[in-house]
Amino acid sequence: GAVVSQHPSWVICKSGTSVKIECRSLDFQATTMFWYRQFPKQSLMLMATSNEGSKATYEQGVEKDKFLINHASLTLSTLTVTSAHPEDSSFYICSARDPGRVHEQYFGPGTRLTVT
Amino acid sequence: QQQVKQSPQSLIVQKGGIPIINCAYENTAFDYFPWYQQFPGKGPALLIAIRPDVSEKKEGRFTISFNKSAKQFSLHIMDSQPGDSATYFCAARGRGTSYGKLTFGQGTILTVHP
Repeated sequence: GAVVSQHPSWVICKSGTSVKIECRSLDFQATTMFWYRQFPKQSLMLMATSNEGSKATYEQGVEKDKFLINHASLTLSTLTVTSAHPEDSSFYICSARDPGRVHEQYFGPGTRLTVT
Repeated sequence: QQQVKQSPQSLIVQKGGIPIINCAYENTAFDYFPWYQQFPGKGPALLIAIRPDVSEKKEGRFTISFNKSAKQFSLHIMDSQPGDSATYFCAARGRGTSYGKLTFGQGTILTVHP
């Protein structure tokens, strides 16, 4: 099946610093990737849609300048959390849409971010 | 705002039982309905999905029933096993300007006792 990887799997950073999370589709080209945020025991909340070669589309309430998304190639999208604060601590999950499989979305394993 | 409502919030069954998880959506702006399984600390994994022009789909022990007129769909897990213990999410994929976006239900924590 389609494989999506994320790196790192977990990261701890200090308040005020920035952290970058990578999302890669390993065996297919994804023109569209999605970034989600998940708090403990809660559902997934879509943050933004990332399209290769164009600006990301952010959901209402998501700060564009805080969560920078770059979809530089058909297999890589990055999420940078800038000037991180403890309230940014969460589980961040990306997904990639596979145009060759009825546009299914496949999810990465997630990245646990802890801001101290 | 488009919503998908999922119930129950948690579910406990014995091994071999048939847990049923229900979802309902509010409008017709969705064209595809996947179910995901998520283990703690992991990303969701696609389990099974259905289109609204199909009333039922079965893959292995997992079956989706879809009622388009009632705007409801459900997941049945036959012969449930302790390894099925996980959180299950239903989702609905938007069409039109929201194409590709998934709206998730609130999740159901399933526990299967041996």
